[in-house]
Amino acid sequence: GEDVEQSLFLSVREGDSSVINCTYTDSSSTYLYWYKQEPGAGLQLLTYIFSNMDMKQDQRLTVLLNKKDKHLSLRIADTQTGDSAIYFCAWANSGATNKLIFGTGTLLAVQP
Amino acid sequence: GAVVSQHPSWVICKSGTSVKIECRSLDFQATTMFWYRQFPKQSLMLMATSNEGSKATYEQGVEKDKFLINHASLTLSTLTVTSAHPEDSSFYICSATKTGYEQYFGPGTRLTVT
Repeated sequence: GEDVEQSLFLSVREGDSSVINCTYTDSSSTYLYWYKQEPGAGLQLLTYIFSNMDMKQDQRLTVLLNKKDKHLSLRIADTQTGDSAIYFCAWANSGATNKLIFGTGTLLAVQP
Repeated sequence: GAVVSQHPSWVICKSGTSVKIECRSLDFQATTMFWYRQFPKQSLMLMATSNEGSKATYEQGVEKDKFLINHASLTLSTLTVTSAHPEDSSFYICSATKTGYEQYFGPGTRLTVT
């Protein structure tokens, strides 16, 4: 199956770190992504990781990939109120269409 | 770079009419464009994949005759919702890719059918 699960909601205080988790079932994925969606807007690509990597860091964002457990996480350091949004993990299959399978989304609420 | 636009951003139409939504890649040529549908507080559901000059590939359960997709050029794809009904009300989002592994999303179009 092509299931991608995320926790629904996460609340953090401004300045703290946020960790958003994602589990997936299909191990054939080649790229795994994190997208951010603000209310009423499209999706913004935050970062992605290739399946042969364990970790990728990009400024305040750190992505960890545990292929054995099929677990992907996004850590946001020094979380700001502007980070409040819905975060989706997604993976692309290795087929020719490169279609994305999206997770259920995590609403991140940052308290000032 | 990699900006995708959608037009209109919000449309209200009467039941039974057709609505066309445009998706444009503004600063790159898109090898493939994708159309998604998102219900409130839910994730994105892929509707179809389209390549320039060829027929779109629809996901299982998506009616081809209801959701017409035309990919006329490497920078433009259109989605036409034919004979719209209230249950078609949703947020429609397109994406475009130039490399195949990065998808850039449009801002979305909110369709309300009365």
